[in-house]
Order: sequence, then C-alpha cells, then structure tokens
Amino acid sequence: AQRVTQPEKLLSVFKGAPVELKCNYSYSGSPELFWYVQYSRQRLQLLLRHISRESIKGFTADLNKGETSFHLKKPFAQEEDSAMYYCALTGNAGGTSYGKLTFGQGTILTVHP
Amino acid sequence: DTAVSQTPKYLVTQMGNDKSIKCEQNLGHDTMYWYKQDSKKFLKIMFSYNNKELIINETVPNRFSPKSPDKAHLNLHINSLELGDSAVYFCASSQLGGELFFGEGSRLTVL
Repeated sequence: AQRVTQPEKLLSVFKGAPVELKCNYSYSGSPELFWYVQYSRQRLQLLLRHISRESIKGFTADLNKGETSFHLKKPFAQEEDSAMYYCALTGNAGGTSYGKLTFGQGTILTVHP
Repeated sequence: DTAVSQTPKYLVTQMGNDKSIKCEQNLGHDTMYWYKQDSKKFLKIMFSYNNKELIINETVPNRFSPKSPDKAHLNLHINSLELGDSAVYFCASSQLGGELFFGEGSRLTVL
C-alpha cells in the first residue's frame, strides 16, 4: 500500500526565514513524488515533481529514497508563499495509474510579515 | 478561460436525496478524475476515466456513479445521500501520464 505523511498540519514562519515542509512516503516500488499547492481562493495546482528536478518559485524538493522523504524547501520564505501544500505520490511513472495520486493530509504554511 | 469547471460550487441537500455534480474541461485532455476531500483535508481519488472508459475505481460505495458522456465531461451522481458524503469533490483532468489540472471543487453538505 502507498501512503504519504505530512507530519505538520500547520507551519508558521516569518518572511525571509527558511522553510521546510516535511513529507515522508511509504511505497514498495519506485515512486514518483509531487508537491501541489493551493493558494487562497485558487485551485489546487502542481508546484513541482521530483523527476523534473527544477526549482519553482524558489522551492526545491529532493527525493531521498533512503529516508523515503521528499521535503519541500525554500531558503527565504515570502508572504505570497502562504498556502496549503500537499505532497503526493504515484506508483507508476506514466500509464493508466498516473493520475492515481495518493495525497498527504496537507500542511498550511503561513508566512508572517 | 476556465480550464476545468465544476458545477455547482456549493450544494446543500437533505439525507436520502440524489444529486449530481458536473465537470467539464476544455484542455483537450483524454483523462478525467474525481477526488474527494474530507473534513480533515485528506484528498483521495474516487474514479478516473480515459477516453470515456473507467480506468480507476477505488473503494467507493455504489451509490456513487460516474458518467462520462464524452472526453470533455465527467459527471458524478450520488444516490441516497448520507451525512458522511459531506465533503469537497474535486474534478481533475490530464493527458494520460501528464500533470493533473484541478477544478475549484464542489462543496457538498448533507443535512
């Protein structure tokens, strides 16, 4: 069975501080990991995926298979980063199960001025 | 120019009623999904259709019946609504193997 755990429901930081949103997963095969974000009054959207290895809006996430983690990091948080962040996993990189994302319970990030 | 649109956005109804939520996408995607977000904000997949064919069907009560009249539409019909059905239902679409694009969600409240 696949499972995604985000241990922090709420995370508060001040503007300019580093931020790390934790994500741990459980999956016996080779997973593909994602971070989705939902800003206030907006729809859920893809932030980044581990296979693309890119930095989006200053955020990065590295897949650590040894620790089964995919933590989301940003060195200097901005107020506009305040949002709900979901870590998600799919067991197949492509194929009909691609959209079968298993989501974590989400972390609400608040960046204070 | 809405990519994935759901109607209605809000739905309040009594237990035992039957209701439908509609979803349409204008992105030309071949795969559509229904996700349920419960009161604890957990998001869980319910169904997925690829080119009008059901490809993912999670453990969902058979009171829930998806219908895909064409590639651009995926509707969700719920019979005999129960209190536990109260949730936000998200529609999404993608090209098979591609990024998911979500609708804004439909908040269902069963009284």
